[in-house]
Amino acid sequence: KQEVTQIPAALSVPEGENLVLNCSFTDSAIYNLQWFRQDPGKGLTSLLLIQSSQREQTSGRLNASLDKSSGRSTLYIAASQPGDSATYLCAVSYASGGSYIPTFGRGTSLIVHP
Amino acid sequence: DTGVSQNPRHKITKRGQNVTFRCDPISEHNRLYWYRQTLGQGPEFLTYFQNEAQLEKSRLLSDRFSAERPKGSFSTLEIQRTEQGDSAMYLCASSLVRSSGANVLTFGAGSRLTVL
Repeated sequence: KQEVTQIPAALSVPEGENLVLNCSFTDSAIYNLQWFRQDPGKGLTSLLLIQSSQREQTSGRLNASLDKSSGRSTLYIAASQPGDSATYLCAVSYASGGSYIPTFGRGTSLIVHP
Repeated sequence: DTGVSQNPRHKITKRGQNVTFRCDPISEHNRLYWYRQTLGQGPEFLTYFQNEAQLEKSRLLSDRFSAERPKGSFSTLEIQRTEQGDSAMYLCASSLVRSSGANVLTFGAGSRLTVL
């Protein structure tokens, strides 16, 4: 069974800090990895998707990297803002029989205080 | 297209009752997923459809749960004889699986079930 672990489970930082969220997975033969944001009581919003052949993806202040050999991905958030407060989830997909079913970690709960 | 729509947003029911959730995916998407999420946990996979075919079901999906996607359009998730342990957020997502491998999931807002 594939397992996805996210560290830290919770993070509280002052506005303006750069921060790194970590995601690790047990099976390095991934198909792709996706980072999501979830606001309390809401659904998930896709932030970045990294294909297995890629090393990183960028969108605005967000940068996600992928190191398959070590089974890790990081989400870097530059110049954090209170509006970034949310839970960040990573999901790993494998190409088992063409299913590509994403397996999620438990998420990192981020609070950015003014 | 307004994205993935889920109804109802919140359902409160008594133990033993049946409930049904509906998901309307993005129209051109060929994949539809159901996940369950409890407080403090990540979403757990329940089942998925490729067009109208249900291709995989998790062991979490007991025989009280059934999902359908008639004609490859909207999907329903029914829970029979609900138990308190069924209380959770039920999330639906859809995607368009491409030959390039991109499979970006778009989630709905979820349907929250509370079983009293």
